[in-house]
Amino acid sequence: GAVVSQHPSWVICKSGTSVKIECRSLDFQATTMFWYRQFPKQSLMLMATSNEGSKATYEQGVEKDKFLINHASLTLSTLTVTSAHPEDSSFYICSASDRDSYEQYFGPGTRLTVT
Amino acid sequence: ELKVEQNPLFLSMQEGKNYTIYCNYSTTSDRLYWYRQDPGKSLESLFVLLSNGAVKQEGRLMASLDTKARLSTLHITAAVHDLSATYFCAVLNAGKSTFGDGTTLTVKP
Repeated sequence: GAVVSQHPSWVICKSGTSVKIECRSLDFQATTMFWYRQFPKQSLMLMATSNEGSKATYEQGVEKDKFLINHASLTLSTLTVTSAHPEDSSFYICSASDRDSYEQYFGPGTRLTVT
Repeated sequence: ELKVEQNPLFLSMQEGKNYTIYCNYSTTSDRLYWYRQDPGKSLESLFVLLSNGAVKQEGRLMASLDTKARLSTLHITAAVHDLSATYFCAVLNAGKSTFGDGTTLTVKP
């Protein structure tokens, strides 16, 4: 149980375009979802926390107009990288937790390359 | 601001040896996690530690938590090559997790 999926697993896009990444909890209701970014050989940096039905809370330094997060249902959150630039190239990982669990369940990640 | 420090950042050890990875954090925490990450992959949950004195073991890995010292350890016993990976600790505070920089473990024959 407690499976989180992400789609796509990798994506290549051109500068200036937008990319949407989906994060789904497959067998539980995710009251909270988290979006992380990880650059090569670095740790995970939390970008934002989203609760179902409410606006995401962004970490300091993360542009909310560039990284649009929507948590429309208890099983789906999306991250849209708008007007992507090469410096946005990274590994994006979502995680989800439910009301009763101590755990965060991590998705498999999405590797974004902006050319 | 919560700070989480892991050491060492890089660890090369021989098969069969024991070693400990340390995770220090700067403020009180709701819980502490250990994760494993293989190259190009996402995180795999290893342990969740909830209270002072908690100890959990799975195979050759054992994690402990001392909330008074704000310290967690991940002990590796009789390392094998399959344990080669990057290990992260993460501390939960105010509903969000802060990660350490990770310890890249290489186990050599």
